[in-house]
Amino acid sequence: DAGVTQSPTHLIKTRGQQVTLRCSPKSGHDTVSWYQQALGQGPQFIFQYYEEEERQRGNFPDRFSGHQFPNYSSELNVNALLLGDSALYLCASSPADRIHNEQFFGPGTRLTVL
Amino acid sequence: AQRVTQPEKLLSVFKGAPVELKCNYSYSGSPELFWYVQYSRQRLQLLLRHISRESIKGFTADLNKGETSFHLKKPFAQEEDSAMYYCALNGNNAGNMLTFGGGTRLMVKP
Repeated sequence: DAGVTQSPTHLIKTRGQQVTLRCSPKSGHDTVSWYQQALGQGPQFIFQYYEEEERQRGNFPDRFSGHQFPNYSSELNVNALLLGDSALYLCASSPADRIHNEQFFGPGTRLTVL
Repeated sequence: AQRVTQPEKLLSVFKGAPVELKCNYSYSGSPELFWYVQYSRQRLQLLLRHISRESIKGFTADLNKGETSFHLKKPFAQEEDSAMYYCALNGNNAGNMLTFGGGTRLMVKP
């Protein structure tokens, strides 16, 4: 099991463009969460998907949207990119067993907005 | 609202010295607290969680509800402990959403 995988590794976009980031959860996990980590800061929760529905959302504008597919993989979409959207975007998956509640993180996608 | 504060951005100690990474939280309910670690060129990974009450790699952390703290401690630091450490909180009514602190970089000098 490769664990949580994310693609692409790096991405460069210009202001106003749109971007899609992808995540495959760890085998056996059904919940996917997305975090934004700006330089020098801790990860900040964007939203979480479970059973193909957005279950929770952090304090992010509607420009940030997502999707979860039947195989539990997920996409994060950001429209009308701003310079401030430059960050490391982390995907985390959680096991179906909610008792343990541990989140497993992917390596992240580094987004640079010029 | 839930908040996690790690007051030190950088903590530098010599090998063999004790280490304490501070974490304070703000949450009205009963939170679940975690420490995550990120070693150089590796992904963020769970180090320990307060409900497990176990020692991982010599690290321990005790939840102090009176002081709303969850400090990470190790009696004798090793060079391989050098990494970024993040304290995180999961509120009991927030599903599985983590609120992270800003992180502390631990440097263990030889």
